[in-house]
Amino acid sequence: EVQLVESGGGLIQPGGSLRLSCGGSGFSVTREYLSWVRQAPGKGLEWVSVLYSGGTTYHADSVKGRFSISRDTAKNTFYLQMNSLRAEDTAFYYCAISTGWPGFDFWGPGTLVTVSS
Amino acid sequence: QSVLTQPPSASGTPGQTVTISCSGSRSNVGRNIVNWYQQVPVTAPRLLIHSDNHRPSWIPDRFSGSKSGTSASLAITGLQSEDEGDYYCATWDDSLNGVVFGGGTKLTVL
Repeated sequence: EVQLVESGGGLIQPGGSLRLSCGGSGFSVTREYLSWVRQAPGKGLEWVSVLYSGGTTYHADSVKGRFSISRDTAKNTFYLQMNSLRAEDTAFYYCAISTGWPGFDFWGPGTLVTVSS
Repeated sequence: QSVLTQPPSASGTPGQTVTISCSGSRSNVGRNIVNWYQQVPVTAPRLLIHSDNHRPSWIPDRFSGSKSGTSASLAITGLQSEDEGDYYCATWDDSLNGVVFGGGTKLTVL
């Protein structure tokens, strides 16, 4: 059974940085497609980033140049490094994995990131 | 404004069939597989349909997907109260080099 859990969310000032982590069990960061999806309060889903098993990454235009996705194979954990945060980055951030692409087969419960002074 | 267009709302009574549409273009729905996600209030989304019309083993066969050209649809038969929530379609867009979601459809069971 796949279980994912995010950590690292919280309140951060505009311009600041935050790193989200996604760990759990029942999956391997070396085999799956690893993704982050966000949802602003009361809004719809927005894809953020993906890391393919082979190492290729893609990012949404709204975060390109500010966010990066990576993984730690020893810890079986993947990350979303968020820099130069803006108020419009305020959202619940979900990590997700899939065996095929595009897809989000399993999701974590989400972690809230609030960007505010 | 979302790249994929969904109706903002849908409704039905218990036992009825409801269909939710997802309209895109040649660069997304027309060329790539479509997945559907369900999000019940205050929970994370979950996968309902993948690869246009395939159900994960844990999803009941009341849910089905289809696609034709640049449009996809999700059908829910035998509507139940626990089906209330938000439904999203998603696919890859070759022009944007990214995943695009529909704006979501809020389903109400009357």
